[in-house]
Amino acid sequence: AQKITQTQPGMFVQEKEAVTLDCTYDTSDPSYGLFWYKQPSSGEMIFLIYQGSYDQQNATEGRYSLNFQKARKSANLVISASQLGDSAMYFCAMREGDNAGNMLTFGGGTRLMVKP
Amino acid sequence: NAGVTQTPKFQVLKTGQSMTLQCAQDMNHNSMYWYRQDPGMGLRLIYYSASEGTTDKGEVPNGYNVSRLNKREFSLRLESAAPSQTSVYFCASSVWLANTGELFFGEGSRLTVL
Repeated sequence: AQKITQTQPGMFVQEKEAVTLDCTYDTSDPSYGLFWYKQPSSGEMIFLIYQGSYDQQNATEGRYSLNFQKARKSANLVISASQLGDSAMYFCAMREGDNAGNMLTFGGGTRLMVKP
Repeated sequence: NAGVTQTPKFQVLKTGQSMTLQCAQDMNHNSMYWYRQDPGMGLRLIYYSASEGTTDKGEVPNGYNVSRLNKREFSLRLESAAPSQTSVYFCASSVWLANTGELFFGEGSRLTVL
């Protein structure tokens, strides 16, 4: 079974609007961390936001927020006020357990395209 | 402000040739990783090194070897390249068991095996 599933291969959003990128995960470990990375066309991987499984509040970083629904095992990324520079691939990733270091399992990604 | 540096950035090999991808980080991180990214897919872990002197297999280790030369450097070797190893390779580093677990990535190395 896939540990990280991103069901939206591609999405369009109008500039200045908000967009939600979906991510569901599968783990039986009570301790885990969820990450979102951005990969622009230039290819580098840029860390956006992190949510720990025990965190009580949803993580936020500027225009990025993580909608964490533990019972549903979902960790959707919300980007507010989209900008043209947000056009990129977005990857959800998970770290399982307390002794797994920072080894991450990645989903297949969602390509976001922001329309002017 | 180098962060994680990978060399080479591009390489074309013929089937059966060998090569080594070099990675160095200047952030004093104890953990380093090698991932591969195939077209249209997410990253998959090849090998990792939790600390200097240790290496372990990840999800897709077959056909690769690694060396943690020192705290800064972690190399990935393809002994006999195959077309299935055509991919973009990313090196990353982090502090082991950090609160956020953020991985810092290099810019990637694009490898084509003919």
